[in-house]
Amino acid sequence: EIVLTQSPGTLSLSPGERATLSCRASQSVTSTYLAWYQQKPGQAPRLLIYGASSRATGIPDKFSGSGSGTDFTLTISRLEPEDFAVYYCQQYVSSPYSFGQGTKLEIK
Amino acid sequence: EVQLAESGGGLIQPGGSLRVSCVAAGFTVSGNYMSWVRQAPGKGLEWVSVMHSGGTTDYADSVRGRFTISRDNPKNTVYLQMSSLRAEDTAVYYCARWDSGNRALDIWGQGTMVTVSS
Repeated sequence: EIVLTQSPGTLSLSPGERATLSCRASQSVTSTYLAWYQQKPGQAPRLLIYGASSRATGIPDKFSGSGSGTDFTLTISRLEPEDFAVYYCQQYVSSPYSFGQGTKLEIK
Repeated sequence: EVQLAESGGGLIQPGGSLRVSCVAAGFTVSGNYMSWVRQAPGKGLEWVSVMHSGGTTDYADSVRGRFTISRDNPKNTVYLQMSSLRAEDTAVYYCARWDSGNRALDIWGQGTMVTVSS
């Protein structure tokens, strides 16, 4: 079973700053099957990044993903108020198709 | 418009059974991989089950043997039949489409709340 560990658990930043979120896998994950999701309170998750680095339809270019193997990163440049949410990574390499525990991005 | 809509959640006693539904619009459930993901109150996301387009199914260990995913092609609906429910199954249940091109869960429903309590 692949365990995804996200860090930090909570990230406190100000609007305009840059956010860097980490997702580390317990074993190598094919980049093709690594995705990032954003979830706001009371809403369903929304796909941001697939294939580790490709933006989903309608996602602005301030969101970018990178990484390979066991280490993946989601970067959000120029934070805006609507970006403060919880972010999850997920692997679809092997069952169970696990999620990380999430990183809460909060306004400082 | 491509969308998913869940229904059927509610309050159920421990040991009971419940079936939640997910109706798709704008695409066919039979031509896609369909997943269920749940989220306990105040917690993170947990993958629960998937049905492949060919009909193969898979489950998280926490629900295997108790939950069954199925679909009704004419109704374009996916179901999650839950039995022997436990308090720890209390969660919002989301259905989502796994897109074979993006290789990610690209369409999500709004979720349906299942509460297991006496």
